[in-house]
Amino acid sequence: AQKVTQAQTEISVVEKEDVTLDCVYETRDTTYYLFWYKQPPSGELVFLIRRNSFDEQNEISGRYSWNFQKSTSSFNFTITASQVVDSAVYFCALSGLNRDDKIIFGKGTRLHILP
Amino acid sequence: DVKVTQSSRYLVKRTGEKVFLECVQDMDHENMFWYRQDPGLGLRLIYFSYDVKMKEKGDIPEGYSVSREKKERFSLILESASTNQTSMYLCASSTGLAGVETQYFGPGTRLLVL
Repeated sequence: AQKVTQAQTEISVVEKEDVTLDCVYETRDTTYYLFWYKQPPSGELVFLIRRNSFDEQNEISGRYSWNFQKSTSSFNFTITASQVVDSAVYFCALSGLNRDDKIIFGKGTRLHILP
Repeated sequence: DVKVTQSSRYLVKRTGEKVFLECVQDMDHENMFWYRQDPGLGLRLIYFSYDVKMKEKGDIPEGYSVSREKKERFSLILESASTNQTSMYLCASSTGLAGVETQYFGPGTRLLVL
């Protein structure tokens, strides 16, 4: 069975600190996709990144970076020099490639950036 | 830009009422989804649809039904609302393979059942 674990329920850091959100997944598929979504206080989930299991290169987008490690089944997300606008709930998700596969979401990590 | 809209941001209903939650997407996406989000439980899939008039049960379909008469519209129906259906309801849409492609979400409907 597929499973996504976000062990950090809630994190608080002071603005400008770096913060890493952990994501560990379980799957028996050899090919799969991983996602991160952000849910700001407005409620709408915003897509951040999609990564397929063949691509283990780390990704950087501005202050955001993602570390995908197949050996440890992890797909961690780091925000560098955090800002108050980064305060949100962040979801990691996993899916397979079959027609009837669904995206499995973790329970989310609530991130508070303190001014 | 993909736009997914939901008919209400906030809704208050009484136990036993029939409740309709509407979702509309403007990007001609084949797939549409309904989730509910509860504290500590994350997002749970209620129903999804690959195409018009098609529907598939998700993880928690009990107490819900859906309707997809047009490609752009996916309705979630609570036949007889109960207090344990008080939740945040999120609609999403995607193209291509349902599990693979990015899902685009609406703003959510906070439903309170009294």
